[in-house]
Amino acid sequence: SQELEQSPQSLIVQEGKNLTINCTSSKTLYGLYWYKQKYGEGLIFLMMLQKGGEEKSHEKITAKLDEKKQQSSLHITASQPSHAGIYLCGADPDRGSTLGRLYFGRGTQLTVWP
Amino acid sequence: ETGVTQTPRHLVMGMTNKKSLKCEQHLGHNAMYWYKQSAKKPLELMFVYSLEERVENNSVPSRFSPECPNSSHLFLHLHTLQPEDSALYLCASSQGVNGNTEAFFGQGTRLTVV
Repeated sequence: SQELEQSPQSLIVQEGKNLTINCTSSKTLYGLYWYKQKYGEGLIFLMMLQKGGEEKSHEKITAKLDEKKQQSSLHITASQPSHAGIYLCGADPDRGSTLGRLYFGRGTQLTVWP
Repeated sequence: ETGVTQTPRHLVMGMTNKKSLKCEQHLGHNAMYWYKQSAKKPLELMFVYSLEERVENNSVPSRFSPECPNSSHLFLHLHTLQPEDSALYLCASSQGVNGNTEAFFGQGTRLTVV
């Protein structure tokens, strides 16, 4: 099965600072998804990347996909306490799959202090 | 609110009990999923349903029995569980065949087996 390694496991930053979370796959990436989770709750979809070199942004969050390196990064600019939570990357193991079944990394716990 | 509703939110059950988790989606999706999230482990895909048919069972013990009576509802029937089955159980849905693959998650059911 596909394994996703996220780094760092946890991150504590001061409000206003920029930060980056990485996700590296053991196999070819056909689709990479980023989700955010508040502790003990469901996952909120952030972004999906499908093509090498693709970059997407939503508000202060930017995600990039490096297909050759089998890696994705999530960058948050000027972090706020509302950004705190667990960030999870997920990948679809099959090319051309039309199902959203995903394999996930262990997550990165982000704390933003005022 | 993601359009995927899970009930109950919390459940405590004994090892000899039988209980069911319910998931309902109001998004018109054709694919539904059960995931298990245990402490310090990656989110694990358990079952995949597409057009009400089970298309994937990731080596889940038979004490977990899924049911998908229609495309809007998904159940997870539980019987003779073990304490190590205590976890957050998440339901998700996606458009499925010929649709977008991003999955939308419910808030989860926190299950404790005593």
